[in-house]
Amino acid sequence: DVKVTQSSRYLVKRTGEKVFLECVQDMDHENMFWYRQDPGLGLRLIYFSYDVKMKEKGDIPEGYSVSREKKERFSLILESASTNQTSMYLCASSPWTGSNTEAFFGQGTRLTVV
Amino acid sequence: DAKTTQPTSMDCAEGRAANLPCNHSTISGNEYVYWYRQIHSQGPQYIIHGLKNNETNEMASLIITEDRKSSTLILPHATLRDTAVYYCIVRGGYNTDKLIFGTGTRLQVFP
Repeated sequence: DVKVTQSSRYLVKRTGEKVFLECVQDMDHENMFWYRQDPGLGLRLIYFSYDVKMKEKGDIPEGYSVSREKKERFSLILESASTNQTSMYLCASSPWTGSNTEAFFGQGTRLTVV
Repeated sequence: DAKTTQPTSMDCAEGRAANLPCNHSTISGNEYVYWYRQIHSQGPQYIIHGLKNNETNEMASLIITEDRKSSTLILPHATLRDTAVYYCIVRGGYNTDKLIFGTGTRLQVFP
């Protein structure tokens, strides 16, 4: 089975801290994604990576950065956490074959910034 | 920006067919229609996808109109475990593999 693993299920951080959310996939997928999910807003794409060291901004990249040094790992970085970044964060991966592929999701990290 | 429009919520009686509509009037010729669902507190799960032909698998059927501007996901015999948020997504084309979600349809299956 494809597995996408997020390092933490729940995380509590203080305002101003630098926060790292880690995501690892074991299926050699080219594409990896980071989303945040808030009530009533659905899943919003933060960043997308289509290869090692390659990235594209999603709809809401402000306040976030990403790192993809190895194909299997995609990290989301909150440079200086703020309370409005309290949210559920979801990571996903998919193969790169154009349109005809499905994405697999991790179980999510619920981040609380206090 | 999401390229699809879905109703915010729907109800369905257990055992009946659930028909979830989606409008994607700006879809281009090489874009696929995907459906995912998200059960509370879990990551989204792939259901089905299609280009222009109707598709069926063990979970659902996907009906795409001839002009490809809309589609319907059909759960033939809804169960209480099908209660979830269902997302219709248009994905692909030549420029990107981005996966953009909208706000989805919250399906409530009742006994």
